[in-house]
This record gives sequence, structure tokens and C-alpha cells, in this order.
Amino acid sequence: KAGVTQTPRYLIKTRGQQVTLSCSPISGHRSVSWYQQTPGQGLQFLFEYFSETQRNKGNFPGRFSGRQFSNSRSEMNVSTLELGDSALYLCASSLVQRRFTGELFFGEGSRLTVL
Amino acid sequence: ELKVEQNPLFLSMQEGKNYTIYCNYSTTSDRLYWYRQDPGKSLESLFVLLSNGAVKQEGRLMASLDTKARLSTLHITAAVHDLSATYFCAVDGITSGTYKYIFGTGTRLKVLA
Repeated sequence: KAGVTQTPRYLIKTRGQQVTLSCSPISGHRSVSWYQQTPGQGLQFLFEYFSETQRNKGNFPGRFSGRQFSNSRSEMNVSTLELGDSALYLCASSLVQRRFTGELFFGEGSRLTVL
Repeated sequence: ELKVEQNPLFLSMQEGKNYTIYCNYSTTSDRLYWYRQDPGKSLESLFVLLSNGAVKQEGRLMASLDTKARLSTLHITAAVHDLSATYFCAVDGITSGTYKYIFGTGTRLKVLA
């Protein structure tokens, strides 16, 4: 069974640009969550999508957005990049039970460097 | 507000020794998760604890959950170098009417030969 796939794995952007990251969940998983990981702030929750709807959202500015498609694949977009957006962006999928996300299965991450 | 605290943050231990990592959380929840992250890698699920008193074991690692004390422990028995990694606990639940899934700060474990 294929795991969670994230693309691209590495990317370098400059301030002011925008970036789109993609995530394909494990087959059958309908929930996709996004996390930002930095040495200073640790793992921070961005948002979760379930059945094409944003179900939960973390405390990030509106420059961070996402969406989920009918095949459960998800994308996240960061506009007007800032130096502080440099981070490892992790996508995780889960087999949602009732209201709760449950065990997360993570992709390898997309490492974004903003110059 | 849902907070998850781990201690210690850093742990350096000799091979063959035992140690425990603690995870405290601030709100009522009976679901707790442990994850492992190797340097430069992503997170891997280790344990899912879904009720008070739950205990799970895999190799040299054993996790337990006490929902009344809002505490989970990850016990390492006879550590080996391969266990060197960062370990995260995570809790999910409803707080102030909002669903949250929060990770602890992580415990960076280094096992010395």
C-alpha cells in the first residue's frame, strides 16, 4: 500500500513569491492535515481537510491556504512568502473515525527555503 | 487551551539503560499518540492509546496512558543506538468548542554506545 506522497520534496523561493505544495494521501484516507515544522516553533497545525471541506484550522495568517480535491489529494498554497516561512511542511492523512482525526500517517515533507 | 508538554526535551543515555519520557496535557482527552522522527526524516506513528490505563509495547518501547492524571509515559528499556530519534506525543480533543490536535515539543533522545 503506497504511503503519503508529497511533492516537491525541496524548493527554494524568494520573498514575495508564492508556492504550492501537493499531497496524495494513502488510498482510502479521506482526511488530510498539514503541519509546519521549524526548529523554533516545533510542529504547528495548519489545517485539516475532510471530504473537500476544511474541517479544522490552525492559527496561521490568510497567506496560508489549502484545498482538497474529490480524490482526497490536497494542495496548500503560501502567498507573498516571507523569510519566516522557511520550514518543513508535512502532510498527513488519516482514516477518520467519527469526529476525530486519529492516527496520522505522514509524508516525507516538502522543505521550503525562502531567500 | 489545549497544551501538551513533554519532558525532558533532551535526553542522552547510555546503551543498556532504562529511561522514561513524560507527556502531560491540559485538557480532558482519552486519545494520545506517540510518534518518532529520525533526523531529516518525517514522523512515524509508534503508538495509539485510546483509553485510560491503555498500555502498548513494541520492542524496547512501552507507552501507557493515565487520563485522570492527564499523563502518558514512554518507557525505554535497555536502550540501543537505533532508538536515537526525536519522540513526540500528541493529543486530540475538543477545547472551547473547537477540535484540536496538538503535538508536544518533542524529546530528542541520543543513545550513546
